[in-house]
Amino acid sequence: DAGVTQSPTHLIKTRGQQVTLRCSPKSGHDTVSWYQQALGQGPQFIFQYYEEEERQRGNFPDRFSGHQFPNYSSELNVNALLLGDSALYLCASSLISGYNEQFFGPGTRLTVL
Amino acid sequence: AQTVTQSQPEMSVQEAETVTLSCTYDTSESDYYLFWYKQPPSRQMILVIRQEAYKQQNATENRFSVNFQKAAKSFSLKISDSQLGDAAMYFCAYRSGSARQLTFGSGTQLTVLP
Repeated sequence: DAGVTQSPTHLIKTRGQQVTLRCSPKSGHDTVSWYQQALGQGPQFIFQYYEEEERQRGNFPDRFSGHQFPNYSSELNVNALLLGDSALYLCASSLISGYNEQFFGPGTRLTVL
Repeated sequence: AQTVTQSQPEMSVQEAETVTLSCTYDTSESDYYLFWYKQPPSRQMILVIRQEAYKQQNATENRFSVNFQKAAKSFSLKISDSQLGDAAMYFCAYRSGSARQLTFGSGTQLTVLP
């Protein structure tokens, strides 16, 4: 049973560019959440997708957008990259029902130069 | 807004000894969950233990146990018989019963000394 997978592992972009990060949830899960983890800090919630819709959103600007596909996989898009967007981006999957335990992927390390 | 505070940026423990990591949180809700996650250098966040706020009994998972003090809004993690593989960053996290996102603390870096 594959866990949560994310791609790519590492990514280097320059300021002003756009980036797309991808996440495949754990088998059987229907909900995907994205978190940003700056160096030396705890993860911060970006948004959560269920049934292909954004259900909850944290305190992030509109430059951060997402998508969920019918197979429950998800993308995180960041436009007009800033140096401050450099971070580890974590994807977590869960079931919308019940306890909603979140399983995390290994993350994508984004560096903005 | 809910906040989670971990006041110990770094902790160290001798192998086979016991260590306690501290966490406090602030919430006005009565229905919530608390978690401890471990993040080793591989970066993958792993759930160590969880506690439902409505349960008075402290959760335990093998060598890991919590001391949940609801009135004091305190949620500490005790690791017994520490092993070298326990070395990692540990995050305390909160989730309200109505919301789906996790709110994390700033983490405690645990070093296990041989």
